[in-house]
Amino acid sequence: AQKITQTQPGMFVQEKEAVTLDCTYDTSDQSYGLFWYKQPSSGEMIFLIYQGSYDEQNATEGRYSLNFQKARKSANLVISASQLGDSAMYFCAMRELNYQLIWGAGTKLIIKP
Amino acid sequence: DGGITQSPKYLFRKEGQNVTLSCEQNLNHDAMYWYRQDPGQGLRLIYYSQIVNDFQKGDIAEGYSVSREKKESFPLTVTSAQKNPTAFYLCASSMDRGNIQYFGAGTRLSVL
Repeated sequence: AQKITQTQPGMFVQEKEAVTLDCTYDTSDQSYGLFWYKQPSSGEMIFLIYQGSYDEQNATEGRYSLNFQKARKSANLVISASQLGDSAMYFCAMRELNYQLIWGAGTKLIIKP
Repeated sequence: DGGITQSPKYLFRKEGQNVTLSCEQNLNHDAMYWYRQDPGQGLRLIYYSQIVNDFQKGDIAEGYSVSREKKESFPLTVTSAQKNPTAFYLCASSMDRGNIQYFGAGTRLSVL
């Protein structure tokens, strides 16, 4: 069974609009971590934001925020005021108790001018 | 500048040949990782190392080998036993296992 599901293979968003990228996860661990990474066409994976399972507040990093809904097992990435440079693949990943990262298949985000 | 350097950027392998992908980090991180990325898929872990002279298999280690003789370096060898090596290979490091992983720019391996 898939442990990380990103249901949106691709998204088009108008520049300056906010965008939400979906991520749902499946785990029976009580302690886990959720990560979002950005992969531009150049290939490098860029860390964006992290949420621990015991963190009570949603994580924020600049224009990025993580909408963490523990009961629903979702960890959606919200990008405010999108920019052309935000066009990239976005990956959600979960760290399990064994510290291994499990990755979703990614969402391709294209920002339209 | 601190970071992770992968080389070469592009690599071609002939049938029956072993090839080695380089990964060097100057972040003073203890843990290092190798991932494989295929089109339309997430990353899959090949090998990881928590400290020098120690490494563990990941989910898809067959046909690959690694060494960790220095803290800064974690080379990956794609052996002739790996029958489908064409992929994008990413190296990462973290302060210790479980912390945020930082990635290199990747090596794209193709078969001639």
